Amino acid sequence: GEDVEQSLFLSVREGDSSVINCTYTDSSSTYLYWYKQEPGAGLQLLTYIFSNMDMKQDQRLTVLLNKKDKHLSLRIADTQTGDSAIYFCAETGAGSYQLTFGKGTKLSVIP
Amino acid sequence: SAVISQKPSRDICQRGTSLTIQCQVDSQVTMMFWYRQQPGQSLTLIATANQGSEATYESGFVIDKFPISRPNLTFSTLTVSNMSPEDSSIYLCSARTGEGGTEAFFGQGTRLTVV
Repeated sequence: GEDVEQSLFLSVREGDSSVINCTYTDSSSTYLYWYKQEPGAGLQLLTYIFSNMDMKQDQRLTVLLNKKDKHLSLRIADTQTGDSAIYFCAETGAGSYQLTFGKGTKLSVIP
Repeated sequence: SAVISQKPSRDICQRGTSLTIQCQVDSQVTMMFWYRQQPGQSLTLIATANQGSEATYESGFVIDKFPISRPNLTFSTLTVSNMSPEDSSIYLCSARTGEGGTEAFFGQGTRLTVV
């Protein structure tokens, strides 16, 4: 089946930029998503990008997509302690509404 | 966007019993889904809840264990039947909105512990 891979942990200092990376195998991916999950909470949709785009910016968040390498990244500028959470990358393939998730990257922000 | 409410938010259940989880969306949506998130793991799709017909289950999940109802375009239930400790997980309801269902939102989840 299709696969989505993420590194499990990332630690950054408050005020620095965070970059969370994701790779996927589905060459027919149409939409790619980033979700945030805080402890004990559900998933919050942060942003998503269509596969024919290579960049999307939304306030402190920048998503970069390299479709050739099947690589997606999420950059959080000026990272704050409130950004500490698990970040999930997910993709959906052509003709499907099922989301395939990565295992999540736990972001720890050091004050 | 869509706001999705799940009830209960958490429960501790005895093995062999069943629990029904409710999911309410604040707007009509075409597609609703149920996911499971086992401790420390990612999300796995259980089934697609179809309005007016039987749910579509993913490999490894069966209707007898996880019966699903979808009586209308804003509401769905998932029942976890004859529970065992291995069913201890977070169960999340999801709905897709926007043009072509591009936006996928989640409820806050139901944290189930089976003892």
